[in-house]
Amino acid sequence: NAGVTQTPKFQVLKTGQSMTLQCAQDMNHEYMSWYRQDPGMGLRLIHYSVGAGITDQGEVPNGYNVSRSTTEDFPLRLLSAAPSQTSVYFCASSYGGADYNEQFFGPGTRLTVL
Amino acid sequence: SQKIEQNSEALNIQEGKTATLTCNYTNYSPAYLQWYRQDPGRGPVFLLLIRENEKEKRKERLKVTFDTTLKQSLFHITASQPADSATYLCAPEGARNFNKFYFGSGTKLNVKP
Repeated sequence: NAGVTQTPKFQVLKTGQSMTLQCAQDMNHEYMSWYRQDPGMGLRLIHYSVGAGITDQGEVPNGYNVSRSTTEDFPLRLLSAAPSQTSVYFCASSYGGADYNEQFFGPGTRLTVL
Repeated sequence: SQKIEQNSEALNIQEGKTATLTCNYTNYSPAYLQWYRQDPGRGPVFLLLIRENEKEKRKERLKVTFDTTLKQSLFHITASQPADSATYLCAPEGARNFNKFYFGSGTKLNVKP
């Protein structure tokens, strides 16, 4: 099992550009999430999904879109990049349910917006 | 809104001692709480989960307590080793939503030989 994979590992954008961060998992997990991590602020939930076709907003959803067309993939789209979106982005997946909520994290994407 | 506090100052201890990290939360009552370890440049890795009806949970050298009255969880590493040096994050489950987590900013642990 590859677990949770994220691409790219690093990305530099100019203000106003758009891009998609890719996330995939091969553990057949129903639940997937996107977080951003900034110094001193910990992980903040952007969007999450409880299954294919179902998504919901987290703490900081503005400026990001998600969709979940398959169980395996959960891409995060930046519509018009801003310097405030410079961060490290982590995707996570979990089996779901009250007893199986260990989250498996990907290696992260380090994004810089100039 | 929910607030999670972990000591932002690094905790420096000597090898062999017990490290104790604190997680305080306010404005909600999570049904359970998780602890994760994060190494530089990597994603967090799950360590332990404790439910609201459990006072204590152990796994090898790790021990977690959960005091719902104090709204606090303590994370202990006994017989600490330099390899335990990392940042430790607590994540109370969010507002009875089993798939929505709020993470603390983490406490960096440095174990010196």
